[in-house]
Amino acid sequence: QSALTQPASVSGSPGQSITISCTGTSSDVGGYNYVSWYQQHPGKAPKLMIYEVSNRPSGVSNRFSGSKSGNTASLTISGLQAEDEADYYCSSYTSSSTPLYVFGTGTKVTVL
Amino acid sequence: EVQLVESGGGLVQPGRSLRLSCAASGFTFDDYAMHWVRQAPGKGLEWVSGISWNSGSIGYADSVKGRFTISRDNAKNSLYLQMNSLRAEDTALYYCAKDIQGHLTTVTTFCYWGQGTLVTVSS
Repeated sequence: QSALTQPASVSGSPGQSITISCTGTSSDVGGYNYVSWYQQHPGKAPKLMIYEVSNRPSGVSNRFSGSKSGNTASLTISGLQAEDEADYYCSSYTSSSTPLYVFGTGTKVTVL
Repeated sequence: EVQLVESGGGLVQPGRSLRLSCAASGFTFDDYAMHWVRQAPGKGLEWVSGISWNSGSIGYADSVKGRFTISRDNAKNSLYLQMNSLRAEDTALYYCAKDIQGHLTTVTTFCYWGQGTLVTVSS
């Protein structure tokens, strides 16, 4: 099972909006509404930002939103702030075979 | 407050074994599935293994199947990963992660993570 495909990097200026894509197949992203997104700052553990495609855990800023169309999920960060600079990973259940769960390749977000 | 504290990592020679532990607190441990996720230096995240709340359902990535064994002790609020026949490609930071619910299903979400324990496999 290959990792889900994300762009290696995305950048934006403070205040702008950016969108990170996560492309899979009908066996993972496209087949289930259980895509999640994680933020990871350098040297830190990942943090859950979005679950079940578009739900935000308590405490996560409403500047973060998620959506899905077909086999591609997306994470949008609006009103970009310096603290948003981090790596972001998507994840999904996969029915194709083991592993049961697959992560995206990761996207480095840079705030210009 | 949910806390997950991993331990047991270190430098080990290829072919040897290592046992990782994860001590959990701040939640009802035996209500939730738990997972191990690893991250090789400078690389992305890779799901390694997961175990349901009652150990009734267990899963492994192909890369570790037959070499790694996940287990849990609900009385001790602890998760374990027994790693045998270690290879250089197993070198990574190993994270313990709490699931959002008790089973290994489509709903699985890694809602809390520990800080990780580093495993280095080298001669």
